[in-house]
Amino acid sequence: AQSVTQLDSQVPVFEEAPVELRCNYSSSVSVYLFWYVQYPNQGLQLLLKYLSGSTLVESINGFEAEFNKSQTSFHLRKPSVHISDTAEYFCAVSGRGGSEKLVFGKGTKLTVNP
Amino acid sequence: ETGVTQTPRHLVMGMTNKKSLKCEQHLGHNAMYWYKQSAKKPLELMFVYNFKEQTENNSVPSRFSPECPNSSHLFLHLHTLQPEDSALYLCASSLRPGLAGGYNEQFFGPGTRLTVL
Repeated sequence: AQSVTQLDSQVPVFEEAPVELRCNYSSSVSVYLFWYVQYPNQGLQLLLKYLSGSTLVESINGFEAEFNKSQTSFHLRKPSVHISDTAEYFCAVSGRGGSEKLVFGKGTKLTVNP
Repeated sequence: ETGVTQTPRHLVMGMTNKKSLKCEQHLGHNAMYWYKQSAKKPLELMFVYNFKEQTENNSVPSRFSPECPNSSHLFLHLHTLQPEDSALYLCASSLRPGLAGGYNEQFFGPGTRLTVL
């Protein structure tokens, strides 16, 4: 079984500041890792995913996440945030068995202030 | 319509009412999911259907009754709910895990905001 910990429930930052949203996971098997974003009054959208290969993955809107196996982490970063990045961000993990379900963290509410 | 749609977007019901939530996916997927999203809690997986067959029931109370008539439609029938059932109910779909290169990328609908009075 897998579990996900997102230590920060809320992260307030100013516009154009860098941000890091932390995600740690535990699993007895190899994993796939995901970040989903939820804008107000909307469902979840996949932001980026780590499946294999390069441990650094990037999204089209400037976010990146790095898979660190030794620290069992998959932190999400952006060097300069915009007001429009205000949303809730969910880290998720699934086992590599192929039929395993997604397990989500509790989410981190990112608020970008002007 | 594209992606995953859910109706209604908002629902207010009394504890003695019967209502249904509807989900439809237009992505050609064959697995569908119901999640409950409550404040300050992780998403709770409720039910999973693969090719219309229920493959997971995550100890959900019987006052929630899912129905999956085909791979594109999923319903959640509600009756005699409790106030603590108030939450955002999210539907998702994916290719059947194991068929899409082994990983389970789920696509979510906008959710139904349910309030039980």
